[in-house]
Order: sequence, then C-alpha cells, then structure tokens
Amino acid sequence: DAGVIQSPRHEVTEMGQEVTLRCKPISGHNSLFWYRQTMMRGLELLIYFNNNVPIDDSGMPEDRFSAKMPNASFSTLKIQPSEPRDSAVYFCASTLTGRINQPQHFGDGTRLSIL
Amino acid sequence: AQSVSQHNHHVILSEAASLELGCNYSYGGTVNLFWYVQYPGQHLQLLLKYFSGDPLVKGIKGFEAEFIKSKFSFNLRKPSVQWSDTAEYFCAVNQWSGNTPLVFGKGTRLSVIA
Repeated sequence: DAGVIQSPRHEVTEMGQEVTLRCKPISGHNSLFWYRQTMMRGLELLIYFNNNVPIDDSGMPEDRFSAKMPNASFSTLKIQPSEPRDSAVYFCASTLTGRINQPQHFGDGTRLSIL
Repeated sequence: AQSVSQHNHHVILSEAASLELGCNYSYGGTVNLFWYVQYPGQHLQLLLKYFSGDPLVKGIKGFEAEFIKSKFSFNLRKPSVQWSDTAEYFCAVNQWSGNTPLVFGKGTRLSVIA
C-alpha cells in the first residue's frame, strides 16, 4: 500500500517567495495533520483536518501560513511570503478515525530551506 | 495542555547493551501512547503503540514499552541494541479519542557504537 506522499522532498528558495507543500494521505484515511520539525522546538502541530474540515489551526505561526484540504486525497500548506525562520522539515500524517483507534502514519517530509 | 518529557537528550551505548529511554506525560484524561523512531534523514516510523489493555506492549525490531499509569510513564526498552538502532526516538501522546494531534517529546538521540 502507498503511504503518505509528500512533495517536494526538498525545497530551497529565496526569502519572500511563495512556497507550496503538498500531501496525499493514505487512501481511506479521514484525518490529516501537518507538523513542523525544527532543532529548537522539536515536532509541533501546525494544523489538522477531520473529513477535510480544519479543526485546529492554532499551531499555524502567523497569517503567512495557510492550509487547505479541497478533497479527501489532497492537502496543501502554503507559506507566503517565506522567511528564513520558516526553514524546517514539514511532515504530513494521516490516520483513520472511528471506533477503533489507529496510529498516525507519516510521510517522508519536505525539507524546506529559505535563504 | 498535554506535554511529554523525555529525560535523555543523547544516549550512547555499545552494541549488545540494554536500552531504556524514559518518557513521562502530563494529561488528566485517558491517552494513547506511542514511540516513533526517525532514522537519519528519514520520516517517523511507528515503533509501538498503547491504546488499552496489557500495559506491556511489544513493537517492531525487539522494542517494548511499559505503561505505568500511576507514574504517567511509558518507557521504551530493548534488551540488546544493535548498531542499526542508531536513530532519534520520539515519545508521543494523544487523547484517547484518537483523531487528535500528537504531542511529542523533544526526542532522544541514540548512538550505538561497535
């Protein structure tokens, strides 16, 4: 089975540019999470969706960050304009929620470098 | 708010040594508990999970963890480590309902030397 698919794997861009990260969750999963990993702060939640609806975006750093989930098989995380402090690894995870608890499955991550 | 504490930032062991990584969490309700491993440059992989039932859970690659509710702990153990276990290990917790975000500890970097 295909796991969580993220693209791109690596992104290097200049400060001020728009960055779009993409995620395809595991087919059939109905919850999707965006996490950010930095040396200073570790792994932190940015936003999560249940059944394509954003539930909690309190982890989104500021208005420069936005996320969408237009359908069950695709989500984007956009940073506009990007800043050097946004450099991090961004992970997407998905899970199936229901009567039986399931673990979250993570994608390979996008390593973002803002120059 | 939930929080997770991992006591060791970096652990260095020789091959065949026994491993125990500490994890304590802070949350008043029922939780799910997880250990994830991250090999260098790779994504997070699930090592093991606790949802309910037997507090001693066995995971992949010979790892196990014990949930001690009274101590709010979920320590990871392995009787004999291998060089290939060199990685970063993350303890995580979420609310029992399941479809809630994970709260992670800061991670413990394990280095296994020959």
